Amino acid sequence: GQQLNQNPQSMFIQEGEDVSMNCTSSSIFNTWLWYKQDPGEGPVLLIALYKAGELTSNGRLTAQFGITRKDSFLNISASIPSDVGIYFCAGFVSNFGNEKLTFGTGTRLTIIP
Amino acid sequence: EAQVTQNPRYLITVTGKKLTVTCSQNMNHEYMSWYRQDPGLGLRQIYYSMNVEVTDKGDVPEGYKVSRKEKRNFPLILESPSPNQTSLYFCASSFRAYNEQFFGPGTRLTVL
Repeated sequence: GQQLNQNPQSMFIQEGEDVSMNCTSSSIFNTWLWYKQDPGEGPVLLIALYKAGELTSNGRLTAQFGITRKDSFLNISASIPSDVGIYFCAGFVSNFGNEKLTFGTGTRLTIIP
Repeated sequence: EAQVTQNPRYLITVTGKKLTVTCSQNMNHEYMSWYRQDPGLGLRQIYYSMNVEVTDKGDVPEGYKVSRKEKRNFPLILESPSPNQTSLYFCASSFRAYNEQFFGPGTRLTVL
């Protein structure tokens, strides 16, 4: 089955730094979603993107739906300790009435004290 | 409180012993899904259901079964578990697949 490639796989940053990560696919998606998973919890939605080229912010987070519809980007500005976790992208496409959501491999964010 | 519940949260079993992981949601969601999470592989979809009595395979359905007899429940069945099914399992629900999915707390399964 298809999986989305996320880069980087892991990041080690200092508090206050900005973070950038991306998600790429060989297929086109109609919707891109970004989720965050805190340790020991299930993922929680951060941002949803519904149109190619769309740029959406949620506080310090900004995500973009790539023009080609095959990629998406997430930026976090001025990172804080609670940003630690695993970030997942997810792409949605509807084929003949079937609604398929595919998740990425995840980017693990660690903040170095 | 709107939530997705899974049971059990932790399970250790042996190869070949049938087991069921339950999933229930109280948000009247139509779409429900099961995922497994493994290190380096992210979340992979096992099965999903778009409504009652409508289920379809995800990316890794082999060795699993599901049923959707009621809107709120979506159990995951392992008829003959094997060690390669040791993983962290999440159930999720939403109105549609492209809407926000609400995840359960996860079930950590170990098959010896």
